[in-house]
Amino acid sequence: QKEVEQNSGPLSVPEGAIASLNCTYSDRGSQSFFWYRQYSGKSPELIMSIYSNGDKEDGRFTAQLNKASQYVSLLIRDSQPSDSATYLCAVKLPTDKLIFGTGTRLQVFP
Amino acid sequence: EADIYQTPRYLVIGTGKKITLECSQTMGHDKMYWYQQDPGMELHLIHYSYGVNSTEKGDLSSESTVSRIRTEHFPLTLESARPSHTSQYLCASCPGDEQFFGPGTRLTVL
Repeated sequence: QKEVEQNSGPLSVPEGAIASLNCTYSDRGSQSFFWYRQYSGKSPELIMSIYSNGDKEDGRFTAQLNKASQYVSLLIRDSQPSDSATYLCAVKLPTDKLIFGTGTRLQVFP
Repeated sequence: EADIYQTPRYLVIGTGKKITLECSQTMGHDKMYWYQQDPGMELHLIHYSYGVNSTEKGDLSSESTVSRIRTEHFPLTLESARPSHTSQYLCASCPGDEQFFGPGTRLTVL
């Protein structure tokens, strides 16, 4: 089992819809969780961090964490074509190591 | 956020050459990282440092070496470049939990 798992996609959603990206992790001791956005040929950009169970909202983005289920998700409301990118889930292990998932490719079509 | 600089941004070089990829940050972060990423593939940690004179190898075996003589500077060196080293190299620094990436160096070895 991989330490951080994501569906590679592509996830295709129409413009204006809600995109839901999911991530599971294996180490129950993990305390810090991050979502990065990576455009093709560019470096990853941090868009959200979450540390506590529940929801955290920032503009059109909402991160959701459920430590009991070892599940973290990212919702993008009112999706725009400019949101089309690969979204990387990253989990910080108790050893302080940051583990990245393989990423989910999101396509938002007009 | 962090200001992280990488040079060169693009490098095309012949087999057998020695190369150094530069990474610097102006925020005084102790933790710095080097990742390797092939197009459309996942990030692989190749080196990291938790401060001056501290360097460790990452998860992916790499023929590169790093040094950390100054807090702001974390160069990566390949003594003898080979076509298998063709990839994107990403540097990141970390003030606490969150890692921030530089723009990357795209290396092509002919």
